[in-house]
Amino acid sequence: NAGVTQTPKFQVLKTGQSMTLQCAQDMNHNSMYWYRQDPGMGLRLIYYSASEGTTDKGEVPNGYNVSRLNKREFSLRLESAAPSQTSVYFCASSEGRGKGTEAFFGQGTRLTVV
Amino acid sequence: AQSVSQHNHHVILSEAASLELGCNYSYGGTVNLFWYVQYPGQHLQLLLKYFSGDPLVKGIKGFEAEFIKSKFSFNLRKPSVQWSDTAEYFCAVTPPGEGGSQGNLIFGKGTKLSVKP
Repeated sequence: NAGVTQTPKFQVLKTGQSMTLQCAQDMNHNSMYWYRQDPGMGLRLIYYSASEGTTDKGEVPNGYNVSRLNKREFSLRLESAAPSQTSVYFCASSEGRGKGTEAFFGQGTRLTVV
Repeated sequence: AQSVSQHNHHVILSEAASLELGCNYSYGGTVNLFWYVQYPGQHLQLLLKYFSGDPLVKGIKGFEAEFIKSKFSFNLRKPSVQWSDTAEYFCAVTPPGEGGSQGNLIFGKGTKLSVKP
């Protein structure tokens, strides 16, 4: 099983450039999430999708947009990258409710904005 | 603001020492509790989880955690650490009944564990 797959693994952007981070899960999970990880800050939720067709803001949504393309895929877009968005981005998925809230994580995307 | 607190930023131990990492949360009601581990350069992996029942939870690799509801705590323990336990450890909580956010994990800031051989 692939689990949660993220692409790309590494990316360098110039300030102002745009890009989309892709995420797909093969566990038939309802909910998907995008987190960013910064040193000393833990993981902070950017956006989530509780179910197909819905998306909601998390703790740090500014500068990002998301699309829940179908049940499997959840993409994160940076419209105009800024150095403050240099981070490691993790996608995760879970059943979404009750005892299904255990999240499974992708390998991460290390993004550098120069 | 409601949160998850991990008390130690960096813990350094020698092999065979005992480990206890603290975690407190500030949510009322029923929560789900997790400990995740992140080995250097890797993604997060689940160590153990608590949903209900026995408050002493056993996980992988000899780790265990105790849920103490009255203290809003979920501390991680291991009787004897190994060099291979060097990693960052994250406590996480899914808050109770917030509709679509019910599955969201709220993370602590993490504790780096360094085990000296």
